[in-house]
Amino acid sequence: DVKVTQSSRYLVKRTGEKVFLECVQDMDHENMFWYRQDPGLGLRLIYFSYDVKMKEKGDIPEGYSVSREKKERFSLILESASTSQTSMYLCASSLETGWGETQYFGPGTRLLVL
Amino acid sequence: RKEVEQDPGPFNVPEGATVAFNCTYSNSASQSFFWYRQDCRKEPKLLMSVYSSGNEDGRFTAQLNRASQYISLLIRDSKLSDSATYLCVVNTAGGTSYGKLTFGQGTILTVHP
Repeated sequence: DVKVTQSSRYLVKRTGEKVFLECVQDMDHENMFWYRQDPGLGLRLIYFSYDVKMKEKGDIPEGYSVSREKKERFSLILESASTSQTSMYLCASSLETGWGETQYFGPGTRLLVL
Repeated sequence: RKEVEQDPGPFNVPEGATVAFNCTYSNSASQSFFWYRQDCRKEPKLLMSVYSSGNEDGRFTAQLNRASQYISLLIRDSKLSDSATYLCVVNTAGGTSYGKLTFGQGTILTVHP
């Protein structure tokens, strides 16, 4: 079974703090993704990566950066957390870049920024 | 206009009922379509892909109408365990091949005894 793990299930941070969210997948998948999920808005893509050290902006990259130094690990960084970044963050991975590839999600991190 | 639109519901149905969800997408170049299921406070998981010819998996039937840019999911003989949020998902990467998915906001289904 594919396993995608995220470093924290719940996180509380203060405005202005630097926040690191870690994601690890154990199936040698090429692609990894970071989404945020908000009520009424659904899942929105922040960044994705199709190879080590490669990254592409998604639909809402502002205020975020990412790092992929190893194939299995994809980190999301909030340089200076703001209350608008309070959300559920979901990491996902997929094997290849084909049209029909399934994305496998981690359990999510609920981030509260005070 | 949202790229993928769904009726958020909620749909409240009794066990054994048949329920249908609809979804429209705006990008005519979209290539692949899916339904994901998300249980409360859990991550989304693939329920089924949607093919042009329509496809069935047990009690679940998915249909795609490319001309109308419309996707549907039909659940027959609803079970209590079908209670979840159903996400319509479209690959809207256009000419690229990076498998970028766009999610609808989801339709909430509650099946009651």
